[in-house]
Amino acid sequence: QVQLVQSGAEVKKPGASVKVSCRASGYSFADYNTHWVRQAPGQGLEWMGMTNPGGDRSTYAGKFQGRVTMTRDTSTATYYMELSYLRSEDTAFYYCARDLTFDPSPILDYWGQGTLVTVSS
Amino acid sequence: NFVLTQPHSVSESPGKTVTISCTRSSGNMASSAVQWYQQRPGAVPTNIIYEDKERPSGVPDRFSGSINSSSNSASLTISGLRTEDEGYYFCQSDGSDHPVIFGGGTKLTVL
Repeated sequence: QVQLVQSGAEVKKPGASVKVSCRASGYSFADYNTHWVRQAPGQGLEWMGMTNPGGDRSTYAGKFQGRVTMTRDTSTATYYMELSYLRSEDTAFYYCARDLTFDPSPILDYWGQGTLVTVSS
Repeated sequence: NFVLTQPHSVSESPGKTVTISCTRSSGNMASSAVQWYQQRPGAVPTNIIYEDKERPSGVPDRFSGSINSSSNSASLTISGLRTEDEGYYFCQSDGSDHPVIFGGGTKLTVL
């Protein structure tokens, strides 16, 4: 079955970087876009960006441009999201999600379990 | 980019029907597909409606989606409410700059 398994919770100091992983299984890893979405405690969903199936093109939300990098490792079927220059407002659950379609409007049909990143001095 | 506005909360009794709206601030709602996600307390979001009105396998037909061009909005209707339907519901569409735009979310209480 399709699974996206993310890395464990992280605690970081302001100004540091965090790298969250998302290992895919149960489907052809290279056939789908993968998105990253975050959710601050008690807040809504916020789209961060996506990586294409080839892993050679990522699109980022303007808010995160210059601070986020999304990559993938084909050999391990793992996607990565690295966020730098962390501040307290970045404390949130970070989710990876598979995009079912290549249509203009993504359909996020499978989600990882989420990774809590806490930024605190 | 446009904004998708949802009511902060709705509540209704078990067995009743509730409708959650998602209004697009500019542009034509009907020009892009709308998805809906359910997030139960402490859980991961799951897709319950895609392409305006389609249900993924396993989603009961108590859940339905529609587009209202006159109000430039999408709606999620849940009939035969159950306590397990409690949680947050998010609409999602796509914009020219951002492939994914989420509504702010609506908290559903079944009391």
